[in-house]
Amino acid sequence: GAGVSQSPSNKVTEKGKDVELRCDPISGHTALYWYRQRLGQGLEFLIYFQGNSAPDKSGLPSDRFSAERTGESVSTLTIQRTQQEDSAVYLCASTPRQGHYGYTFGSGTRLTVV
Amino acid sequence: GNSVTQMEGPVTLSEEAFLTINCTYTATGYPSLFWYVQYPGEGLQLLLKATKADDKGSNKGFEATYRKETTSFHLEKGSVQVSDSAVYFCALSDIYTSNTGNQFYFGTGTSLTVIP
Repeated sequence: GAGVSQSPSNKVTEKGKDVELRCDPISGHTALYWYRQRLGQGLEFLIYFQGNSAPDKSGLPSDRFSAERTGESVSTLTIQRTQQEDSAVYLCASTPRQGHYGYTFGSGTRLTVV
Repeated sequence: GNSVTQMEGPVTLSEEAFLTINCTYTATGYPSLFWYVQYPGEGLQLLLKATKADDKGSNKGFEATYRKETTSFHLEKGSVQVSDSAVYFCALSDIYTSNTGNQFYFGTGTSLTVIP
């Protein structure tokens, strides 16, 4: 597609429920990144995909968080048993290859856990 | 290691004022430097970049010069507009020394509000 597309744009969920966030990168972009942005704070790295493998999962905050990617396309970030501290904007970005050319970000998914 | 430090906000300016947002970095290799902008309710957009020392990135009236001697990449604009109100993030990419995918290091962001 023309840009990085994320869905849903907003999600309100009850504490303890599972949520799934989706990212459609720009066609042909092999690298895909997930970041979390809490209110008023900077970006927190979560996970990176090169193709459909994830060489760096170091940023996932707990085992409730997981992500997968199909080929060099869609990625889903799953949060199980959501907690209030998971409330944040989840941003996805893609690049043609690793980092150097600058990320193209999606508009993010605003997750609110009540 | 790699890190980015940028000036804390929030910053409030009157329209047509001069803007400077300071950014300094620490890097072990030869990083590229970026400024991203996040308008209210939107994702991050690349504003400008510089890939080597003494390069100047520019876009939409904003400029930043890659200063290796002072390890800085300060963002400037001569005359801000209300439409420039946003959060600005300084970032570093160091593909030559990083062996992981987390090759972008972001500052914490500086919120700018421009009042008429």
